[in-house]
Amino acid sequence: DSGVTQTPKHLITATGQRVTLRCSPRSGDLSVYWYQQSLDQGLQFLIQYYNGEERAKGNILERFSAQQFPDLHSELNLSSLELGDSALYFCASSVGNRAVDGYTFGSGTRLTVV
Amino acid sequence: AQKVTQAQTEISVVEKEDVTLDCVYETRDTTYYLFWYKQPPSGELVFLIRRNSFDEQNEISGRYSWNFQKSTSSFNFTITASQVVDSAVYFCALSESSGNTPLVFGKGTRLSVIA
Repeated sequence: DSGVTQTPKHLITATGQRVTLRCSPRSGDLSVYWYQQSLDQGLQFLIQYYNGEERAKGNILERFSAQQFPDLHSELNLSSLELGDSALYFCASSVGNRAVDGYTFGSGTRLTVV
Repeated sequence: AQKVTQAQTEISVVEKEDVTLDCVYETRDTTYYLFWYKQPPSGELVFLIRRNSFDEQNEISGRYSWNFQKSTSSFNFTITASQVVDSAVYFCALSESSGNTPLVFGKGTRLSVIA
């Protein structure tokens, strides 16, 4: 157990729907990173939050949004889902706001859009 | 823009063979960090190593070794005497600006070790 908890582990939903993925960082970690892993694109950075504030933004679609709450858990909201959004979504946490601090990854949420 | 290329999509070796996974990166920064992660069939991402751009010493950890060469912008990973448990997808990653930017990953190399 890495200490980073992602729920749900699996999610199947229809096109056009909206889902929320949840991540609880390791105790003491202030940063949360979201990544999307698809077969053709590999691991793509979506967004980073540090202590409740957005810190860095990557290739995140406008249909996607995220936030980090006061208790430091984070949610990734995916709306108007398309077939191409099917992927494994990883959350990682780190103690500081720098990648060099070291990421700890969760086990991922596998999203299937049908 | 930073970029990481892992040209080998899939590699298959027989147990006990040595195998090298290639990683080439692009960056304009002088201070950056390179990483390797392992993703076994169970799916989680496991950290293997972090190396900063000023430390070109090769590193060995058991059967694993890493060769960092700034002159060729490469950070290659060698597994000696491979085992079936080494079967996984291996990712190389880069963080620029003294490690301030989020990790950018290569597309990974799938290693299959056959008994």
